[in-house]
This record gives sequence, structure tokens and C-alpha cells, in this order.
Amino acid sequence: QKEVEQDPGPLSVPEGAIVSLNCTYSNSAFQYFMWYRQYSRKGPELLMYTYSSGNKEDGRFTAQVDKSSKYISLFIRDSQPSDSATYLCAMSATGNTPLVFGKGTRLSVIA
Amino acid sequence: DGGITQSPKYLFRKEGQNVTLSCEQNLNHDAMYWYRQDPGQGLRLIYYSQIVNDFQKGDIAEGYSVSREKKESFPLTVTSAQKNPTAFYLCASSMGQEKLFFGSGTQLSVL
Repeated sequence: QKEVEQDPGPLSVPEGAIVSLNCTYSNSAFQYFMWYRQYSRKGPELLMYTYSSGNKEDGRFTAQVDKSSKYISLFIRDSQPSDSATYLCAMSATGNTPLVFGKGTRLSVIA
Repeated sequence: DGGITQSPKYLFRKEGQNVTLSCEQNLNHDAMYWYRQDPGQGLRLIYYSQIVNDFQKGDIAEGYSVSREKKESFPLTVTSAQKNPTAFYLCASSMGQEKLFFGSGTQLSVL
């Protein structure tokens, strides 16, 4: 079993839809959870950062962490064509452990 | 502007040749990282460095070498021992282990 599992998609939705992106993980030591957005042939940019469990909201984006289920989600409300990108989840434990990334989900929002 | 600069944007390697990818940051970050990204494979860690003159192997270090002589710079050499070097290479930096900031990447191809 891989440490972080992420459905690669591709996922195609109409403009205005609510998008749900998910990752599961196996390492119960993970405490820091992130979502990165990567446009084609560009470097990933940090979208959301969450420590431990709970929800975090930033504009149209909501990140959820359920440590009991080892499951994290990113919701995008009122999706726009500019949201079309690959979304990567990433997580780490405390200390000096580097981030572990999911493989990324490719999202297309159709106008 | 603070950021991470990777150069060149595109690089071609002949068989048996070593090539070096440049990564410079002016964010005053202590840690720097190199990732390799293949289609559908997500990000895989090659090497990382948490302080000057020290670095650790990541998951796929074979065929690569790095140096960290200055805080701002973390060049990656792809040696002739790396038999499948074609990939998108990403450099990142961070103050801690959690929030990584990425450069714009270098696409390496084999002639």
C-alpha cells in the first residue's frame, strides 16, 4: 500500500460545479496536510495548509482533514475554467520528515 | 521579488553526458529540495538539504548528485549513470518541512 493515494482522474466538470478532491493515507504520524495546485509545465503553488484535523476555508476553497479515517479533501465551490489544473495533496509528520505527495488529480472545468 | 529561480527552462542531454540544473532562492530559506516529476507519477524526492554543506538522499537519488555550498544555491547534477533522465525537475525551498515553495521547473530531455 502506498503512503498516499490520490485518484489521478482526469476529472471534468461544468463551470459552477462543486468539485471534491480526495486523498487517503496510511501513516498515522502525518499531522501537516497541504494542497498544491499545478498548472501545466509550471511549479506547484501552495493552495491550502492544515495542521491536524478539522476544516479550513479560504474563499471558494475548503480543506478538510479526518485523521480518524486517514482521509483529506479539498472542495472547490463555484468552479471556474481558471481552476483547471492538477491538484496535489501532500503531507508530513512532525520533525524532519520531508513531504510525501500524492500523484495528483487533473481537473478540467468546462465553460 | 523573492522567489526561486530555476534554469534553464529546457535542457537536452547527450548520452554519456553529465548536466547540471541550477536552483537559486532569495527567500532566506534554510531547506532546499529537488523533485522529479514524470507523467502520472507525482513528485518524487531526489535530494534535500536542511543546512549548508549537508544534504540527504531522497527516494530516487541514484544517478544524481548535489552540493550545498551556499544557502541560496542547490544545484543538481544528472550524471551519465542516470539511464532514464527525461523528466520535469522541480526545485523547492522552505523554512520548515511543511510549506514548500517551488520554482518553475526544468524540462530535461535526452537527445
